[in-house]
Amino acid sequence: QKEVEQNSGPLSVPEGAIASLNCTYSDRGSQSFFWYRQYSGKSPELIMFIYSNGDKEDGRFTAQLNKASQYVSLLIRDSQPSDSATYLCAVKERSNDYKLSFGAGTTVTVRA
Amino acid sequence: ETGVTQSPTHLIKTRGQQVTLRCSSQSGHNTVSWYQQALGQGPQFIFQYYREEENGRGNFPPRFSGLQFPNYSSELNVNALELDDSALYLCASSLDSVADTQYFGPGTRLTVL
Repeated sequence: QKEVEQNSGPLSVPEGAIASLNCTYSDRGSQSFFWYRQYSGKSPELIMFIYSNGDKEDGRFTAQLNKASQYVSLLIRDSQPSDSATYLCAVKERSNDYKLSFGAGTTVTVRA
Repeated sequence: ETGVTQSPTHLIKTRGQQVTLRCSSQSGHNTVSWYQQALGQGPQFIFQYYREEENGRGNFPPRFSGLQFPNYSSELNVNALELDDSALYLCASSLDSVADTQYFGPGTRLTVL
């Protein structure tokens, strides 16, 4: 079983819609959760992080964490063509707190 | 821009050769982590250097080795290159070994022929 799994995509949404991205993780001791955005040919860029159960909002982005279900999600509201990218979920485990474990990413395309 | 730089940008090598990739961390950061990202995959952790010592290692063979210098810049060395080593190599800088936020450099694209 992979440590971090994401819905494979690609995900295509119309401009202005909500894009919903999902991620599950296997280590129940995981303590920190991150969403990175990666444009084609570029390096990952941190969008936001979340530590506690519930929602965390930053502009058009909302991260949701449910530790009991080992599930973290990212919502992108009012999607724009510039949001077209691959979104990577990353997890930091308590036992290996020096490294990030990444999912394979979900590619989002926002249609104008 | 994260302030993390990597060189070279692109590199083409042949099987069996050796390669050295370089990374300069963000000012004030003493920790550098290296990741390998194959096409269509997420980054995979190779190892981390904290204050010139290897602080953790992922599931990579010993032919992947590294160094960190007193100015906290770092090198990744790969010996006996294999075709599967073709990937984007990412360096990430962080304030210290347990800091949550890691800032990625632009990466080095390595192609092994």
